[in-house]
Amino acid sequence: DAGVTQSPTHLIKTRGQHVTLRCSPISGHKSVSWYQQVLGQGPQFIFQYYEKEERGRGNFPDRFSARQFPNYSSELNVNALLLGDSALYLCASSLEEGSNYGYTFGSGTRLTVV
Amino acid sequence: AQSVTQLGSHVSVSEGALVLLRCNYSSSVPPYLFWYVQYPNQGLQLLLKYTTGATLVKGINGFEAEFKKSETSFHLTKPSAHMSDAAEYFCALGGGSNYKLTFGKGTLLTVNP
Repeated sequence: DAGVTQSPTHLIKTRGQHVTLRCSPISGHKSVSWYQQVLGQGPQFIFQYYEKEERGRGNFPDRFSARQFPNYSSELNVNALLLGDSALYLCASSLEEGSNYGYTFGSGTRLTVV
Repeated sequence: AQSVTQLGSHVSVSEGALVLLRCNYSSSVPPYLFWYVQYPNQGLQLLLKYTTGATLVKGINGFEAEFKKSETSFHLTKPSAHMSDAAEYFCALGGGSNYKLTFGKGTLLTVNP
């Protein structure tokens, strides 16, 4: 069975540009979450979506947005990129909403902003 | 507010020695606790989780963790370290109506031959 898949795996963007990251959850999983992991730190929660609705938002600026599609895949969009947005972006899926189920993470997208 | 503290950003052990990675948490609701492992340039892999029930939780690769409410701790142990255990380990906290996981800063485990 395919796990959580993310694309692209690596990305280099220039300051001020826009980026879209994509995630496909495990088949049957309805919940998708996004995390940002800056080098040397633990992942920080950005968004959670369940059944195409936003269920939670972390402490990130409005430049960050996301959506979930009818097939439960998800996109994370970041506008007006800053150097500080350089990080590993992780997508995680879960069967249902609620953190008690635990999450399965993808391998991430490494974003470098220059 | 929920928070996780991992004591020791770097732990070094010899192959065959006991592994002990420490995690303390703060939560205003009954906690759900997780340990994840991250190998270089990879995502996070779930080692084990505690939600309710038995406080001693066994996970993959010989790891286990014990939930101690009185000490607000969830330390990760493995009796005998293997070279393949070298990685970064993250303790994470969830619970209540909170859908997010709050992660510690991670502990890098080095295993010496």
